[in-house]
Amino acid sequence: EVQLVETGGGLIQPGGSLRLSCAASGFTVSSTYMSWVRQAPGKGLEWVSVIYSGGATYYGDSVKGRFTISRDNSKNTVYLQMNNLRAEDTAVYYCTRGDYDNKAIGGWGQGTLVTVSS
Amino acid sequence: EIVLAQSPATLSLSPGERATLSCRASQSVSIYLAWYQQKPGQAPRLLIYDASNRATGIPARFSGSGSGTDFTLTISSLEPEDFAVYYCQQRSNWPFTFGPGTKVDVK
Repeated sequence: EVQLVETGGGLIQPGGSLRLSCAASGFTVSSTYMSWVRQAPGKGLEWVSVIYSGGATYYGDSVKGRFTISRDNSKNTVYLQMNNLRAEDTAVYYCTRGDYDNKAIGGWGQGTLVTVSS
Repeated sequence: EIVLAQSPATLSLSPGERATLSCRASQSVSIYLAWYQQKPGQAPRLLIYDASNRATGIPARFSGSGSGTDFTLTISSLEPEDFAVYYCQQRSNWPFTFGPGTKVDVK
């Protein structure tokens, strides 16, 4: 069974850093694209970052230069390092995996809440 | 960045009725458009990819159509479990983007 479990969310002050982890099971994270999608409270979905099987990474404009996506194949885990956090980064962060030959998001974690507030 | 507009914002219907949701892209995305369903407190679920392909396990009452800039998600006969928010998403150009969503609620 494919499963994605996010950890690392919590309350952090503006300007602080946080690292989210996404432990995968039932497949290997290097076999498809893995991404982070966030959803601010009561709002829609925003694609934050993606890492492809070949290692290429992309970021949304709102997080470019502040967030870094990476993966550890030996731990079958994907990470999102978030630096210089802002109030507008407050959201539920979902770890997701590509499916159908990378044509769409086929799997989602349960999400982890990041709250940026003083 | 490709902007996706969804209409209507809210669709109020009764069980058994047909739902027609629209997604319009600011530039052509070819067929590279997906649809997701999200219920309160849950992660989204993939319904349709590449405009018209149903994901595994998705009932046949869900269908997608369109190409270029105009797309439609149709639910032929609403079941009680279909009342939710629906998002379209393009993968033509990075950054991949989602539409703002259409809420289908009970009339």
